[in-house]
Amino acid sequence: NAGVTQTPKFQVLKTGQSMTLQCAQDMNHEYMSWYRQDPGMGLRLIHYSVGAGITDQGEVPNGYNVSRSTTEDFPLRLLSAAPSQTSVYFCASSFDRVTDTQYFGPGTRLTVL
Amino acid sequence: GDSVTQMEGPVTLSEEAFLTINCTYTATGYPSLFWYVQYPGEGLQLLLKATKADDKGSNKGFEATYRKETTSFHLEKGSVQVSDSAVYFCALLKGAQKLVFGQGTRLTINP
Repeated sequence: NAGVTQTPKFQVLKTGQSMTLQCAQDMNHEYMSWYRQDPGMGLRLIHYSVGAGITDQGEVPNGYNVSRSTTEDFPLRLLSAAPSQTSVYFCASSFDRVTDTQYFGPGTRLTVL
Repeated sequence: GDSVTQMEGPVTLSEEAFLTINCTYTATGYPSLFWYVQYPGEGLQLLLKATKADDKGSNKGFEATYRKETTSFHLEKGSVQVSDSAVYFCALLKGAQKLVFGQGTRLTINP
């Protein structure tokens, strides 16, 4: 198994540009999430999904869209990038909703100029 | 709302020293508690977890006990190694996929 994969690893955008961060998992996990990591703030939940076709907002959803058309994929879209979205983004997945481990991807480092 | 507070870092220790990283939480109910570790340039990996009061999670010589009375989940290791240098995150899980993280503690072990 490849686990949780994310692309790209690094990205630089200009303010106002759009892009999609890709996340895929091959573990048949129902639950997937997106987090952003900022210095001194730990990780904060952006959006999550409890299964194909079902998504919900986390702590910091503004400026981001998600969809979940398949179990495997959970892309994160930035429609109009802003410098405040400069961060490291992590995707995670888990099998069980309550007590199971979340498996994290390697991250995407995004810089918005 | 739910929150997790970790001791301020960075923490620098010598090899074979005893390690404690404090973690306290605020939550309604009884969340599952986790310690994640992030090595340089990598994503987060689960280090250990506990799902109910008085449970002790352990892995790679690290231990943490779920203390409901003090709402704490302190991480300990008896003898640290250089390879333990990383950032450590305490977290709680409330509901589906909702991990709430502390701010992280950077640990550096000198030989």
